[in-house]
Amino acid sequence: EDQVTQSPEALRLQEGESSSLNCSYTVSGLRGLFWYRQDPGKGPEFLFTLYSAGEEKEKERLKATLTKKESFLHITAPKPEDSATYLCAVRHRTQGGSEKLVFGKGTKLTVNP
Amino acid sequence: DGGITQSPKYLFRKEGQNVTLSCEQNLNHDAMYWYRQDPGQGLRLIYYSQIVNDFQKGDIAEGYSVSREKKESFPLTVTSAQKNPTAFYLCASRLSGWGNEQFFGPGTRLTVL
Repeated sequence: EDQVTQSPEALRLQEGESSSLNCSYTVSGLRGLFWYRQDPGKGPEFLFTLYSAGEEKEKERLKATLTKKESFLHITAPKPEDSATYLCAVRHRTQGGSEKLVFGKGTKLTVNP
Repeated sequence: DGGITQSPKYLFRKEGQNVTLSCEQNLNHDAMYWYRQDPGQGLRLIYYSQIVNDFQKGDIAEGYSVSREKKESFPLTVTSAQKNPTAFYLCASRLSGWGNEQFFGPGTRLTVL
């Protein structure tokens, strides 16, 4: 079964303490890996799209990287406003030829001041 | 401003009632999607539509119905046949094409009383 697994489920950091979130996937025929940020009670906000192994993208304190089987979201010197749930999603081509987007369960990040 | 709107933000329903959730986008996107989000689970696809007057079932379509009469609108009806409808419902849209990301609306929280 196609699967997207995010770890850890929850992460607590002190302000300024850098860390990484992981998204591993077992799908074949990757058509894009997407990172979103979701605040409580709100819709996910798009952050990054990665298409191929070795690709990296950055936005402020966030940097996303991609290998053949996983992606990392690196958070450098986080601030309390970075607290949110971070979602990973993978789009791939199914055996039937259609495209499907599969979401992980997310990592809840809390940054303490 | 371009974006996706969902209404209402909160919705309460008595058992046995059908309710309709609204989703409108002015991004000129071809494809629209409905997801359901439950605590501790990834987003699950209910229905999607890639063009007007056409839609397909997602992974959990039972108890739901949709229509796509206009490009901008993709309403979701939660019927009385849906056994556990209390959840956070998210609408998304994207431009058709390889790898294009989905953008999400703010969500509707449905509670069955």
